[in-house]
Amino acid sequence: NAGVTQTPKFQVLKTGQSMTLQCAQDMNHNSMYWYRQDPGMGLRLIYYSASEGTTDKGEVPNGYNVSRLNKREFSLRLESAAPSQTSVYFCASSVGWGQSSGANVLTFGAGSRLTVL
Amino acid sequence: AQSVTQLGSHVSVSEGALVLLRCNYSSSVPPYLFWYVQYPNQGLQLLLKYTTGATLVKGINGFEAEFKKSETSFHLTKPSAHMSDAAEYFCAVSSPNSGNTPLVFGKGTRLSVIA
Repeated sequence: NAGVTQTPKFQVLKTGQSMTLQCAQDMNHNSMYWYRQDPGMGLRLIYYSASEGTTDKGEVPNGYNVSRLNKREFSLRLESAAPSQTSVYFCASSVGWGQSSGANVLTFGAGSRLTVL
Repeated sequence: AQSVTQLGSHVSVSEGALVLLRCNYSSSVPPYLFWYVQYPNQGLQLLLKYTTGATLVKGINGFEAEFKKSETSFHLTKPSAHMSDAAEYFCAVSSPNSGNTPLVFGKGTRLSVIA
């Protein structure tokens, strides 16, 4: 029962470098999300994908891009990393959008800790 | 716009004592409310949720929360703290039609349990 798998778990970058965080889920969920977690800030939504083929900005999208590669995979890309992007990144998924889907539970990955020097 | 406020970024209790973690929400429509828990170096997992119906909801590990519309609150309680309850707890809110409003999290409350 893998659930949501994120890679890599740890990464150190230099300012200006690029990288992609990978996320895959095996629960046949329609919706996927990327959050970042910073001390004292809780979880903030970066981007989400309500269903395959769609993506939307969340609360803090600047400096990031996403790709919903297929139903299973949702990647987050940092084109030119900045120290302000040092954070722990969480991917999550849920059953889907639609009536009463606000009650859907999010399943989270274990997180990817990114440090930008 | 929906939001949640968690009162107290850090709560410390003795083992066996009552746990009370406070959450107040702001929503223009009847909300769905959640508590998630994050153990060290792990992702978040659901403790409990309120959607409709009974306002007192029970979750895993002996936790429960009560939805109080008049107080716009959804406080989390546990009668007797255990060492294994030490973790960070997040309150979250969404609306019935989450196509417009994905889940919004509070800033979290870190619970320490003292032996």
